[in-house]
Amino acid sequence: AQTVTQSQPEMSVQEAETVTLSCTYDTSESDYYLFWYKQPPSRQMILVIRQEAYKQQNATENRFSVNFQKAAKSFSLKISDSQLGDAAMYFCAYRSGDTDKLIFGTGTRLQVFP
Amino acid sequence: DGGITQSPKYLFRKEGQNVTLSCEQNLNHDAMYWYRQDPGQGLRLIYYSQIVNDFQKGDIAEGYSVSREKKESFPLTVTSAQKNPTAFYLCASSMRVRTEAFFGQGTRLTVV
Repeated sequence: AQTVTQSQPEMSVQEAETVTLSCTYDTSESDYYLFWYKQPPSRQMILVIRQEAYKQQNATENRFSVNFQKAAKSFSLKISDSQLGDAAMYFCAYRSGDTDKLIFGTGTRLQVFP
Repeated sequence: DGGITQSPKYLFRKEGQNVTLSCEQNLNHDAMYWYRQDPGQGLRLIYYSQIVNDFQKGDIAEGYSVSREKKESFPLTVTSAQKNPTAFYLCASSMRVRTEAFFGQGTRLTVV
């Protein structure tokens, strides 16, 4: 069975600084997709970034980028130039390319200080 | 507007009663999902469905049931067998593979 692990329950960063959130996963599949979602206090889930396992190039979306290490099964999220609006829960997610099963980690609460 | 609608936003039930949470999408998505969210435990998968008339158990299916009679609808029933039903429930949908899931706004279920 696949698993997703987020070992940092809470992180904090100062405005304009950079922070990295960690995520590791376990799978025996070769076809899968990885995601980072943001959940603000409204509890609405918002996609931040996604990575296809077959792509070697790390995904980037404006201030958000990932460090995808396939052999190590690691998928960390880097937030550059942090803003107050980045404060939220962040969830790492794994989707099977075979079964469409989509599972999440336990989340990291990010605080941003002015 | 296209999207996923969960209703109601807040739901109260007495212990021992079954309750059904609604999830409707008009995005023409094939796959649909139900998650339970508790503090400190992230999103845990209850059930998911890839196509109409088919669904699979997730990691915490005990005490829950689903149906998928229509592509746009995936209702979740919380039965009296679920020992701790009070939680926040999220529904999601997506195209088959290679795309992200889109989420509803959730239903907060409180059983008293």
